Amino acid sequence: DAGVTQSPTHLIKTRGQQVTLRCSPKSGHDTVSWYQQALGQGPQFIFQYYEEEERQRGNFPDRFSGHQFPNYSSELNVNALLLGDSALYLCASSSTGGLIYEQYFGPGTRLTVT
Amino acid sequence: DQQVKQNSPSLSVQEGRISILNCDYTNSMFDYFLWYKKYPAEGPTFLISISSIKDKNEDGRFTVFLNKSAKHLSLHIVPSQPGDSAVYFCAASANDYKLSFGAGTTVTVRA
Repeated sequence: DAGVTQSPTHLIKTRGQQVTLRCSPKSGHDTVSWYQQALGQGPQFIFQYYEEEERQRGNFPDRFSGHQFPNYSSELNVNALLLGDSALYLCASSSTGGLIYEQYFGPGTRLTVT
Repeated sequence: DQQVKQNSPSLSVQEGRISILNCDYTNSMFDYFLWYKKYPAEGPTFLISISSIKDKNEDGRFTVFLNKSAKHLSLHIVPSQPGDSAVYFCAASANDYKLSFGAGTTVTVRA
């Protein structure tokens, strides 16, 4: 049983560009959350998707947007990249109604903005 | 606004001894607390949790203590093993799936 997978593993972009990160949840999970982990900090909640809609959102600007597909996979899009967007982006999947600690994290995508 | 704080960036402990990791929080709405462990190039993995209605939860070598009045929790690892060397994150939730994380504590277990 595959866990949470994310692609790509690493990505280098230039300021002002746009980027799309992808996440496939663990089998049986229907909810996907995205987190940003800057160097030396803990993960910060970006938003959560359930039933193809954004259910919760953290304190991130509108440049950060997402999408969830019918197969529960999800994308994170970041427009007009800034140097400060350089971070590890983590995806976590869970099952609605499941226990809160039953969130499984993927290995992350390392985004570098130059 | 950092609602969950881990004030010790690193901890070095000898194998077999106790590791104590501390975490403080400011949001009174938090009612569930979790500890995650992270190895390089891997995502965080769940370690142990505690509900706000309890003050202690134990799972094998890992014990979490919660002091609600002080808004403080701690993770005890006894005995510490080389495989415990990792980054440990404290996280909290206010009855939803949104987790607020601390900055992490890097634990190094010396042989």
